[in-house]
Amino acid sequence: GNSVTQMEGPVTLSEEAFLTINCTYTATGYPSLFWYVQYPGEGLQLLLKATKADDKGSNKGFEATYRKETTSFHLEKGSVQVSDSAVYLCALSESGGYQKVTFGIGTKLQVIP
Amino acid sequence: DAGVIQSPRHEVTEMGQEVTLRCKPISGHNSLFWYRQTMMRGLELLIYFNNNVPIDDSGMPEDRFSAKMPNASFSTLKIQPSEPRDSAVYFCASSFRQGGNSNQPQHFGDGTRLSIL
Repeated sequence: GNSVTQMEGPVTLSEEAFLTINCTYTATGYPSLFWYVQYPGEGLQLLLKATKADDKGSNKGFEATYRKETTSFHLEKGSVQVSDSAVYLCALSESGGYQKVTFGIGTKLQVIP
Repeated sequence: DAGVIQSPRHEVTEMGQEVTLRCKPISGHNSLFWYRQTMMRGLELLIYFNNNVPIDDSGMPEDRFSAKMPNASFSTLKIQPSEPRDSAVYFCASSFRQGGNSNQPQHFGDGTRLSIL
């Protein structure tokens, strides 16, 4: 079956540091890939997505590139802010069936001033 | 535009009681999902509806859990009888599914934090 693996964290960074959160996946076919962000006490919000190999999703300074050869979709940001503190979840949507979404366990990011 | 609306936001009840969680999806969306989130297991899909019909309920833990979607604007998740191990945050999400398009994101509600004592 499909699976998504991401570092569990927590990840603690100082403000303006560079962020990388690794995500790798296992899937058949050609899934779409997503990063969601979850702030405390809230539901998940879509951060960015990529629908085919070599696509780069970007939003709010965050980027991730769909790498089919390494089955990865790592999340990066050049300079994090305190307001970026949240849980980040990598996910894939399978290309067949009803496009069931499989989520990673989530990585908690804490940015300190 | 209103997002996915869940109620209640918090529920605390004693073991053995019936619990009903409610969800109003985004208008126009034809797919609805119920998830459970815990620290140990992360986000787990419980059940998926498409056009008000349950398509995949393989994630429903046991017969104590049931879900309904009587119309396009309302769904319930019921636990009867509830047990302490059911304590978790339950999320409802909706999306619009069209043909073989797999790139439509799901829109989540703010969740119901359930505590079974």
